[in-house]
Amino acid sequence: NAGVTQTPKFRVLKTGQSMTLLCAQDMNHEYMYWYRQDPGMGLRLIHYSVGEGTTAKGEVPDGYNVSRLKKQNFLLGLESAAPSQTSVYFCASSYGRATYGYTFGSGTRLTVV
Amino acid sequence: GENVEQHPSTLSVQEGDSAVIKCTYSDSASNYFPWYKQELGKRPQLIIDIRSNVGEKKDQRIAVTLNKTAKHFSLHITETQPEDSAVYFCAASVLSGSARQLTFGSGTQLTVLP
Repeated sequence: NAGVTQTPKFRVLKTGQSMTLLCAQDMNHEYMYWYRQDPGMGLRLIHYSVGEGTTAKGEVPDGYNVSRLKKQNFLLGLESAAPSQTSVYFCASSYGRATYGYTFGSGTRLTVV
Repeated sequence: GENVEQHPSTLSVQEGDSAVIKCTYSDSASNYFPWYKQELGKRPQLIIDIRSNVGEKKDQRIAVTLNKTAKHFSLHITETQPEDSAVYFCAASVLSGSARQLTFGSGTQLTVLP
């Protein structure tokens, strides 16, 4: 049982390049989330999914797209990276509407130069 | 939407002393309040949580209190140890449409001095 796995762990992009971050969970969780973490700003929700084939916008969705083609995977895409997207990205999953905490992945440190 | 404010942003205590971190939330519909600990370079990990039908919860050296009327909740760590040094995040959960979302505070860097 690996929990929540994120790949890659580190990445450096040039402005304008694109990339996809992968999040995989093996806990049969319905809900999955993408957060970004910036110094002094806590964790801010980018997009989330309440089930396979569904996605929704969070607090800071601009510049990102997501897909949830399979229940266990949640992909975060940057179509044209900008320096403002330099951040640590965390994926998380949870059981759903019930009041449970999240299980986080280990994070992806992205630098856009 | 929900807004969570967390104070202080940094906190230094002597080993063995107590530490208290406070959070306030804005949405009275929030009913679940977890606390996460994040060590340097690691993922946030749930350390304790409380639901709105409970006023206090304790787990060994850590405890959380909730005041629904005032819309604030606090984390208490007693007999602090150097391994308690980390960033602590509070969060509030509210049902938004079909999804339950966590809104996080901005974090508290706790340093326990030996």
